[in-house]
Amino acid sequence: DAGVTQSPTHLIKTRGQQVTLRCSPKSGHDTVSWYQQALGQGPQFIFQYYEEEERQRGNFPDRFSGHQFPNYSSELNVNALLLGDSALYLCASSRIDIYGYTFGSGTRLTVV
Amino acid sequence: DAKTTQPNSMESNEEEPVHLPCNHSTISGTDYIHWYRQLPSQGPEYVIHGLTSNVNNRMASLAIAEDRKSSTLILHRATLRDAAVYYCILNSGGSGGGADGLTFGKGTHLIIQP
Repeated sequence: DAGVTQSPTHLIKTRGQQVTLRCSPKSGHDTVSWYQQALGQGPQFIFQYYEEEERQRGNFPDRFSGHQFPNYSSELNVNALLLGDSALYLCASSRIDIYGYTFGSGTRLTVV
Repeated sequence: DAKTTQPNSMESNEEEPVHLPCNHSTISGTDYIHWYRQLPSQGPEYVIHGLTSNVNNRMASLAIAEDRKSSTLILHRATLRDAAVYYCILNSGGSGGGADGLTFGKGTHLIIQP
């Protein structure tokens, strides 16, 4: 049983560009959350999607947006990239009715 | 989410028990205590969670103080594979419903010596 799959694993972008990261949740999971983890820090919650809608959002600017598709997969979009957006982006899936998060291994984004 | 306090790092020997402390003096009555760990180059991994009573699973045990203002994650016999950053998190999720977004601190960096 595949866990959470994220793509790509690594990405280099230029300041000002836009980026899209992708996540396939664990089989049976219907909720997807995204986190940003800067080097040496704990993950920071960006937002959570359920039933194709944003259910909850952390303290991140509108440059960060997302989408959930009918098959429960999700995308994270970041516009107007800043150097400070360089981080590991983690996707976590869960079921809305049962506690328990499964995290992917993340996408390492470097903004130059 | 209420704040937790953990030591920055701890060191232990292989095959010995490890007790990882967490203080959460402002915990609310509806907060569950969650532990996740993050191995190098991986995403966080769920370890255990509880509300009031001590909890055991195949990975670890969670001991919760009677006043719930502190808790301890216990690894009964540490192996080199247990070297990771351990995060103690308070969150209202943990019963039948899914949790809201998790608030991670910096966690405790556990070093295991062979």
